[in-house]
Amino acid sequence: DVKVTQSSRYLVKRTGEKVFLECVQDMDHENMFWYRQDPGLGLRLIYFSYDVKMKEKGDIPEGYSVSREKKERFSLILESASTNQTSMYLCASSTNPLGSYTFGSGTRLTVV
Amino acid sequence: DQQVKQNSPSLSVQEGRISILNCDYTNSMFDYFLWYKKYPAEGPTFLISISSIKDKNEDGRFTVFLNKSAKHLSLHIVPSQPGDSAVYFCAASALGGGADGLTFGKGTHLIIQP
Repeated sequence: DVKVTQSSRYLVKRTGEKVFLECVQDMDHENMFWYRQDPGLGLRLIYFSYDVKMKEKGDIPEGYSVSREKKERFSLILESASTNQTSMYLCASSTNPLGSYTFGSGTRLTVV
Repeated sequence: DQQVKQNSPSLSVQEGRISILNCDYTNSMFDYFLWYKKYPAEGPTFLISISSIKDKNEDGRFTVFLNKSAKHLSLHIVPSQPGDSAVYFCAASALGGGADGLTFGKGTHLIIQP
């Protein structure tokens, strides 16, 4: 089974901090995605990547950046954390960007 | 503009009965549809999918129906079990429609009552 691992389940950070969320997948998938989930808003795409060193903006990229230096790892960076970035962050990977995804367990980030 | 709509934020069903979750879409280019299930503090897990060349796909207790003319799909769970209590997300994609991946609805919280 494909496994997508997010390094932290819960994080608490201060406003203005630079935050790194790490995601690793073990099935050699080309495609990786970062979503955030908020009540009443569903899953919203932040950034995605189709290959190493390649990245594309999703629907809500403002305040975020990403890094994909290795195929198995996709990092989400909050350049200067703000309270409105408090959310559940979900990483996913897929062999086909239009097919089924495998999600990680999520990182619940609280910015205080 | 929301391209995938799940108009019921929550749904309560008695154990053993049928659960019907609905999803509407506006983009006529969508040709592949998926349902995901999510428990609290876990990531979504893939449940079932359907291609636009079909109008029904069945997997055990789960059946997805697609009505292309109405741009509507539904997920039927029969019989409903307590472990089915979760948030269900409808998702859609369009082959050749760009590199944006899946578009998700806002989710429906299904509650199975004993």
